[in-house]
Amino acid sequence: DVKVTQSSRYLVKRTGEKVFLECVQDMDHENMFWYRQDPGLGLRLIYFSYDVKMKEKGDIPEGYSVSREKKERFSLILESASTNQTSMYLCASSGGTGRQQDEQYFGPGTRLTVT
Amino acid sequence: AQSVTQLDSQVPVFEEAPVELRCNYSSSVSVYLFWYVQYPNQGLQLLLKYLSGSTLVESINGFEAEFNKSQTSFHLRKPSVHISDTAEYFCAVGQPDYKLSFGAGTTVTVRA
Repeated sequence: DVKVTQSSRYLVKRTGEKVFLECVQDMDHENMFWYRQDPGLGLRLIYFSYDVKMKEKGDIPEGYSVSREKKERFSLILESASTNQTSMYLCASSGGTGRQQDEQYFGPGTRLTVT
Repeated sequence: AQSVTQLDSQVPVFEEAPVELRCNYSSSVSVYLFWYVQYPNQGLQLLLKYLSGSTLVESINGFEAEFNKSQTSFHLRKPSVHISDTAEYFCAVGQPDYKLSFGAGTTVTVRA
């Protein structure tokens, strides 16, 4: 089974702090994704990566950056956390070569609260 | 770009009753469609998917969805729900360049 793990289930940070969210997958997938999930808005793509050291902006990249130094690990960074970044963050991975029919495998999520 | 509309945000239903979750998409190219389920305090899991072939696809736990090209729909149904089906359900469409576009989600609450 594909396993996607995220470093924390719950996280509380203060406004202005730098926040790192880590994601690791164990299926040698090329593609990894970071989403945020908010009630009534579904999942919105923040960033994705289709190869080591490659990254692409999603629909809502502002206020975030990412790092992919190893194939299995994809990190989301909030340079200066703000209260409007309080949300559930979901990491996902997929194999294949960017085909539309590739399903994604999700981690359990990190619920981040910024106070 | 393709988009997904889930027509119901909340669906309360009694145990053993049928349920239908509606999903419409917009697309001008080949379509690949997915339903994901999110149980409380968990990540998303794939429930079923349509890639090609038969327009009716089924999951192992009794859900089914029908791809209707003329109505651009991919509605999810289950003839008899259980308490354990309480979850949030997301419809998604495959995009070029690795991505999925998700609907806003439908929360199903099953009551005894």
